[in-house]
Amino acid sequence: DVKVTQSSRYLVKRTGEKVFLECVQDMDHENMFWYRQDPGLGLRLIYFSYDVKMKEKGDIPEGYSVSREKKERFSLILESASTNQTSMYLCASSHRDNYNSPLHFGNGTRLTVT
Amino acid sequence: GESVGLHLPTLSVQEGDNSIINCAYSNSASDYFIWYKQESGKGPQFIIDIRSNMDKRQGQRVTVLLNKTVKHLSLQIAATQPGDSAVYFCAPGGGYNKLIFGAGTRLAVHP
Repeated sequence: DVKVTQSSRYLVKRTGEKVFLECVQDMDHENMFWYRQDPGLGLRLIYFSYDVKMKEKGDIPEGYSVSREKKERFSLILESASTNQTSMYLCASSHRDNYNSPLHFGNGTRLTVT
Repeated sequence: GESVGLHLPTLSVQEGDNSIINCAYSNSASDYFIWYKQESGKGPQFIIDIRSNMDKRQGQRVTVLLNKTVKHLSLQIAATQPGDSAVYFCAPGGGYNKLIFGAGTRLAVHP
């Protein structure tokens, strides 16, 4: 089975801190994604990557950046955390397909910014 | 822009009954659709997918129906069990490996 592992289940950070959320997948997937999930809003795409050192903005990239130095690892960076970034963050990966393929999700990191 | 709507935010069913979760989408160009199940404290889990050249696909106890004419899909769960209690998301493909998620429908199964 595909395993997507997010390094932390819960994080509490202070406003203005730089925050790193780490995600590792073990199935040699080319594609990796970061979403945030908020009540009533569903999953919203922050950034995604189709290959090492490649990144694309999703629907809500403001306040975030990403890093993909190795195929299996995709990091989400909050340059200066703010309270409106308190959320559940979900990492996902998928195999490169001609068009679409299922995403496999980690169990999420619940980030609280105080 | 793309929008995904779910007709019922919460669905309550009796254990053993069949459940039907509906989903409407707006982008007529979507040609790939996935249903996910998310249990409390976990990430979304893939249930079943369907491509637009099909109108029905069956899995274990689940069936997805796709009506492209009215841009509607549904997830049917047979003999619903307590373990089926979760939030269910439909996700139409929004382009190369991009999925658009709705807010989700909560399924509550009562004994």
